[in-house]
Amino acid sequence: DIQMTQSPSTLSTSVGDRVTITCRASQRVSTWLAWYQQKPGKAPKLLIYKTSTLESGVPSRFSGSGSGTEFTLTISSLQPDDFATYYCQQYNSYWTFGQGTKVEIK
Amino acid sequence: EVLLLESGGGLVQPGGSLRLSCAASGFTFSRYAMTWVRQAPGKGLEWVSAISSSGTGTYYADSVKGRFTISRDNSKNTLFLQMNSLRAEDTAVYYCANNKEAFYDSSGDHWGQGTLVTVSS
Repeated sequence: DIQMTQSPSTLSTSVGDRVTITCRASQRVSTWLAWYQQKPGKAPKLLIYKTSTLESGVPSRFSGSGSGTEFTLTISSLQPDDFATYYCQQYNSYWTFGQGTKVEIK
Repeated sequence: EVLLLESGGGLVQPGGSLRLSCAASGFTFSRYAMTWVRQAPGKGLEWVSAISSSGTGTYYADSVKGRFTISRDNSKNTLFLQMNSLRAEDTAVYYCANNKEAFYDSSGDHWGQGTLVTVSS
């Protein structure tokens, strides 16, 4: 099974900051990597798939990069609506999610 | 607009059964694989099961293999999850999601709002 590890687990940050979340896979997943945003009591929302393809309607301040085993989600300038938990997910073999990164207000 | 509406959750005793449904609309259901994901209270996301667009391919996490059965009715745009021999550790919100492709190992796309399953005596 492919394991996904995100870091950090929690990120205390401010509006306007540049935020970077890292995701590592236990084995190569090519570019079959997605990022989701989840707010309390809500379903996850797809942000990015195939490592760097922005889902329709998602603001351009979100971007993704990486390949193989190391991936990054970047929010260029954090907005109030962005405080949430973010999950990476590999879909090279079944689905596996990272444990999540909570982006909270400093 | 894509809509996925789960139903069938509730309180069940250990060893019991439940059947979850996910009614889909706003897209051509028969063209896409579908997936169930669960989230235990306060925890992260766990992939449970997936089914190919035609229904001929089904896939399960080791934690539910032999107890859960995924199926779909493409004539009724509905996805199902039959859950037997339920355990306390199956307690979670269960989400259905449509995949972006016909095959199971493709990205997720839209998700339903979830249905809560509580396994307790």
